[in-house]
Amino acid sequence: QAVVTQEPSLTVSPGGTVTLTCDSTTGAVTSDHHCSWFQQKPGQAPRTLIYDTNNRYSWTPARFSGSLLGGKAALTLSGAQPEDEAEYYCLLSYSGTYWVFGGGTKLTVL
Amino acid sequence: EVQLVESGGDLVQPGGSLRLSCTASGFTFNTYSMNWVRQAPGRGLEWISYISSGSTTKYYGDSVKGRFTVSRDNAKNSLYLQLDGLRAEDTAIYYCARRTWFDSWGQGTLVTVSS
Repeated sequence: QAVVTQEPSLTVSPGGTVTLTCDSTTGAVTSDHHCSWFQQKPGQAPRTLIYDTNNRYSWTPARFSGSLLGGKAALTLSGAQPEDEAEYYCLLSYSGTYWVFGGGTKLTVL
Repeated sequence: EVQLVESGGDLVQPGGSLRLSCTASGFTFNTYSMNWVRQAPGRGLEWISYISSGSTTKYYGDSVKGRFTVSRDNAKNSLYLQLDGLRAEDTAIYYCARRTWFDSWGQGTLVTVSS
């Protein structure tokens, strides 16, 4: 089964820009993996930010965007806010028969 | 408003069984596929099961295949997860999540496997 990897931790300055990535051991991440991104704060359930690589929900702040970058899925945060400090997880679909979460990226806004 | 509420979590001994429920409201439950996801204490998220809207298709993660069974009752707007042969490593918060986009989540229910 595939393993999905993310940066364990990243730091961004308030107002700054940071890119989180999501890689698969099976090869390049493509639109066929239908990548989703989730934000989780301590003691809370995950909240979905991005679906199908680059689509925001109505509740997703415009400063979050999803893309494919160099064979990986990416989540870019432009104009980081203190409330964006959280754990971020990506999720990849494999032929719609199993799904694998990345290990998570702990994002610090400092 | 979409709502998912999990229940059924408890302390259970190794080798024991448990049935989790997820009650849905605020949307037409019988038109959406559903998933179960778990999170061990201090760890990341793990997808464990999928069920299609009409229960015709079910998938499981390798770590639970053969031990856990997903089902649903569309008349009751409810999703279930039967956990058998529980192990210490199954200790986690169990979440239900809607459709293949995982767009809505419940607050989770805690399963603790310990003697």
